[in-house]
Amino acid sequence: QVQLQESGPGLVKPSQTLSLTCTVSGGSISSGGYYWSWIRQHPGKGLEWIGYIYYSGSTYYNPSLKSRVTISVDTSKNQFSLKLSSVTAADTAIYYCARDSPAVAGVDYWGQGTLVTVSS
Amino acid sequence: QTVVTQEPSLTVSPGGTVTLTCASSTGAVTSGYYPNWFQQKPGQAPRALIYSTSNKHSWTPARFSGSLLGGKAALTLSGVQPEDEAEYYCLLYYGGAVVFGGGTKLTVL
Repeated sequence: QVQLQESGPGLVKPSQTLSLTCTVSGGSISSGGYYWSWIRQHPGKGLEWIGYIYYSGSTYYNPSLKSRVTISVDTSKNQFSLKLSSVTAADTAIYYCARDSPAVAGVDYWGQGTLVTVSS
Repeated sequence: QTVVTQEPSLTVSPGGTVTLTCASSTGAVTSGYYPNWFQQKPGQAPRALIYSTSNKHSWTPARFSGSLLGGKAALTLSGVQPEDEAEYYCLLYYGGAVVFGGGTKLTVL
């Protein structure tokens, strides 16, 4: 059973960089076959896809966030990370990591999510 | 900017049947968009229900089914249970990009 767990600061100041890590257990990122995704949800709103990364390091980002987003992977730690730069209050959201299986074209496992608030 | 549209809200009686739909601003939704459906209850992470139009995950209850209907992706709940009250999101793949629908709040009343 694959499990994902987000971690990182719950409070970030405006103009700074939001940094989150997702730790994967029950499966190896380096075994390939999956995209590792970040998704966010503004308070009381819908889901927004941020981007994903393959174990090789290839990435694909939401065009609306692309200029501020970096997703990276550390296969030695079985983790992948999100950095979102120049944050504003509009980036306050619950951030989820998830696994996306291109073989079946489906997102199956999700982390529990972590709330990040942007405030001074 | 691609927009994926769902009904904002629907109401169904226990034991009834309801169909939620998912439309794309680019035109008809086909299997090539690999529609996914997710259920989210308050305070919880989304849970995957359907992938690639109509395929169920091992944990998906049999009363949930996915299809294409009238140029849209559709999620049908048959024999609705009170615990099915939740927000439902669809997801479509546009080449490498992913777009979520705005969600449908399903009330069981």
